[in-house]
Formats: sequence, structure tokens, C-alpha cells
Amino acid sequence: GAVVSQHPSRVICKSGTSVKIECRSLDFQATTMFWYRQFPKQSLMLMATSNEGSKATYEQGVEKDKFLINHASLTLSTLTVTSAHPEDSSFYICSARDHSGQGGYGYTFGSGTRLTVV
Amino acid sequence: AQSVTQLDSQVPVFEEAPVELRCNYSSSVSVYLFWYVQYPNQGLQLLLKYLSGSTLVKGINGFEAEFNKSQTSFHLRKPSVHISDTAEYFCAVMDQGDNDMRFGAGTRLTVKP
Repeated sequence: GAVVSQHPSRVICKSGTSVKIECRSLDFQATTMFWYRQFPKQSLMLMATSNEGSKATYEQGVEKDKFLINHASLTLSTLTVTSAHPEDSSFYICSARDHSGQGGYGYTFGSGTRLTVV
Repeated sequence: AQSVTQLDSQVPVFEEAPVELRCNYSSSVSVYLFWYVQYPNQGLQLLLKYLSGSTLVKGINGFEAEFNKSQTSFHLRKPSVHISDTAEYFCAVMDQGDNDMRFGAGTRLTVKP
């Protein structure tokens, strides 16, 4: 089936530094990928929609200059948390929509990245 | 815009008992509906989905869900749960013709021996 690989699974960084998270579709092409943020014991909140070859679409309240998204190819989207602060600590999950029929109008999710800013 | 309400934040149940996790949605258009399971520190795994056709949908791990358009519900059921079913379960909705998937707040299912 469709697989989305997300790396790293865990990262600890110092306050003020930047962190890049990668999301790859391994066996299908994803023109659209999605980035979510999940706080402890809460649901997923859509941060932005990443479109291959064009600018990402951010949800209201998400700082586009802080959460930089690049979707340079049909299989890779990256989320960079710039000048990270402790309040950015969270679980970040990406997903991609598989139009080939395997996912069937659903999304395939990465395994998530636990970001801790100290 | 669509929205999803999961009526129970926590559901404790004994092993081998039946369980129902409730989900209601609202949307002005036709929708696709999904149930996902999340184990600790992992991404989401698709349990089942409703796209069209039969309102009773069977998924993996013995789960099933029924789409009820009049009640705008998509409740998840399993006749006999196992300890390994302990996890967080998310109901999700997507408007047909749209790209955005919206999630409910999640239901924590805890299966006790």
C-alpha cells in the first residue's frame, strides 16, 4: 500500500535554532501533502497544505514565516520550524493523498515527529 | 465547512466486550468519512472509510462503522475488543471534491483485562 515516510521521528533542539522535518511519499506521487500539529491528548490541527511547485496554503493563525513549507518534488515536502521556541514543542504529522486508488480518497500519514525545544 | 464531533473523549471497556465509539459530523455537502487509529508516538493508520454505496463499512482489525445520513453519524463498532485495541481513535470527514480532512477531538479507548 501507499507509504509515507517522515523523518526524523524525534528531535531535540535549542531555542532559537531551526529544525527541518521531511515527508516523503515512497511509492506514489503526491501533488498535495498536508502538515498537522498535535498537542498532547488533543486532535490533529491542520497547519498547511503543501502543493508541489507552488506556495503552501496556511490555515488561519499559522505563521507562514515561522513554519516554512517547501514541496519541491512530487515525493517530498519539508517543514522547517524557524527560530524554534519551547512553545513550538509538539508532535508534527504529515500526510499525503494517494490518487492512485490504493488510498482511495483517503490520506496516508507519516509516523510523526516529536519536536522538543529546550 | 465541515466539522466532526466525537462524543466521548474516553471509553474504558473490558477485554472481549463490545464497544462503540461515536462520531457525528456536519457539512452542507456530501462527504467522505474515515476512522483512524493512533498508537502512542505514531502516525495515523486508516481503519476504514465510507466513500459511497453500502452504509455498513468493514475495516481492519475487526472494526466496522455505519454511515447514517439522517443522523449525520458514523459510529465505529467492534463486537469483541482486545487489549491491543487500546489506542486513540479519530473520526475524520472530508467534503467531496475538497482536499481538506478535518478530525474529531479523538476518543481514547482503553481495554482492561
